[in-house]
Amino acid sequence: DAGVTQSPTHLIKTRGQQVTLRCSPISGHKSVSWYQQVLGQGPQFIFQYYEKEERGRGNFPDRFSARQFPNYSSELNVNALLLGDSALYLCASRWDMDSSGNTIYFGEGSWLTVV
Amino acid sequence: AQSVAQPEDQVKVAEGNPLTVKCTYSVSGNPYLFWYVQYPNRGLQFLLKYITGDNLVKGSYGFEAEFNKSQTSFHLKKPSALVSDSALYFCAVRPAPGGNNRLAFGKGNQVVVIP
Repeated sequence: DAGVTQSPTHLIKTRGQQVTLRCSPISGHKSVSWYQQVLGQGPQFIFQYYEKEERGRGNFPDRFSARQFPNYSSELNVNALLLGDSALYLCASRWDMDSSGNTIYFGEGSWLTVV
Repeated sequence: AQSVAQPEDQVKVAEGNPLTVKCTYSVSGNPYLFWYVQYPNRGLQFLLKYITGDNLVKGSYGFEAEFNKSQTSFHLKKPSALVSDSALYFCAVRPAPGGNNRLAFGKGNQVVVIP
């Protein structure tokens, strides 16, 4: 089975532009989360979705938004890009929300550079 | 809110020697604890987790970790390190039980295994 897949793998954007990152969870997984990893730091939680509903949001501005589709894939959108948004964006999937202890699996990430 | 401390920036060890990567955590209630490894320019790979039960958890690639509730620690260990173990290691925690996907990560430890 394929793992968590993300696209694109690398992209360069200009300040003020908008970006959309895509994620397909592991087959059968219904919950998707997004994390931002700035160089030299651990990942920071951005969003959590389950069954197309937002179930949690980290301390990120409203420029960040996301959604989950009926097939459980997800998109992360960032508007009005700032230089500080340059980071590795990681998508993670989990089987469901209700079973405790499920392992959370991560994709390879999307490297975003804002210039 | 949950948090993780990984006090050492870098851990250097000779190949064949024991490897220990330290992690302490703070969380309300019981913790779910995880270790992930990140190779250069890659996503996070799951190594092992503690949910409940035996305090010694065995994971992938010969790694194990010991949960110590009184010391709020979850140190990662490997009896005999390999050069290929050189990577960035992250400890993560989330409160249990429940469906919270929100992992809190430490800043990571760079492990360098010297041939």
